[in-house]
Amino acid sequence: DTAVSQTPKYLVTQMGNDKSIKCEQNLGHDTMYWYKQDSKKFLKIMFSYNNKELIINETVPNRFSPKSPDKAHLNLHINSLELGDSAVYFCASSLNVAGDTGELFFGEGSRLTVL
Amino acid sequence: GNSVTQMEGPVTLSEEAFLTINCTYTATGYPSLFWYVQYPGEGLQLLLKATKADDKGSNKGFEATYRKETTSFHLEKGSVQVSDSAVYFCARKPNNNDMRFGAGTRLTVKP
Repeated sequence: DTAVSQTPKYLVTQMGNDKSIKCEQNLGHDTMYWYKQDSKKFLKIMFSYNNKELIINETVPNRFSPKSPDKAHLNLHINSLELGDSAVYFCASSLNVAGDTGELFFGEGSRLTVL
Repeated sequence: GNSVTQMEGPVTLSEEAFLTINCTYTATGYPSLFWYVQYPGEGLQLLLKATKADDKGSNKGFEATYRKETTSFHLEKGSVQVSDSAVYFCARKPNNNDMRFGAGTRLTVKP
C-alpha cells in the first residue's frame, strides 16, 4: 500500500480553469504538507496542516485553497489557473510528536501543466 | 532566518569517483538535518538524517556529519554508481513543523 498517495499524477488544463489535487496518507501522521517544485527542481512549502488545522501558510496566492476534511487527507484546490502554476505539486506527511525527528514522507507528485 | 544553502549543480562524475555535495544551514536552536534524494520521475525519499551535533547519518554508502561549529551537513560517498544519478536535497527542520529544503543538486554519474 502506498503510504502517501496523490491524484491525479498528471493534469493538463487550460488557463482560467479550476482544478483539485487530492492527497491521502495511511501512516497515521498528524501533519500534512503541500510543496511546489518548479522546473529547476526548487521546492517551496505552500501549506501545512496539523490535525486539520492550518499551521503554515506561505505567501501563496489566495487562488490556492487547501482543505483537510480529516487528518489523513489534505486536498489542494486551485482557482483561475495561470501559466505560472505549472509545476509538480508534492504532498507530504510527518509525525510530529516529542522526540520524533519529523521526517517527511512524500507522495509521487502531481504534474500540473497549464496551457 | 532559517535557510539551507547547498552546492549548485549540476555535478557530473565518473563511476567510482568520490562525491561531496556541500550543505550549510542557518537556524535558531538545533534543527534536525536531512538529505533527501529524488530519482527521475519520483517523489523525494529520505536518504539519511542526523538530529544532534556530531551525529553521523549514513545509508547506501552515503554519509553526512552534523557539524554545529561550521553549521554544515555535507553529503559524501566514496564511490558513486550510475544508479546514484538523481537530485539531492539538503533540508533542516527545527522544532516547529517547518521543513526547509535547499535548492537541490543534480548528480549525473557516467559509466
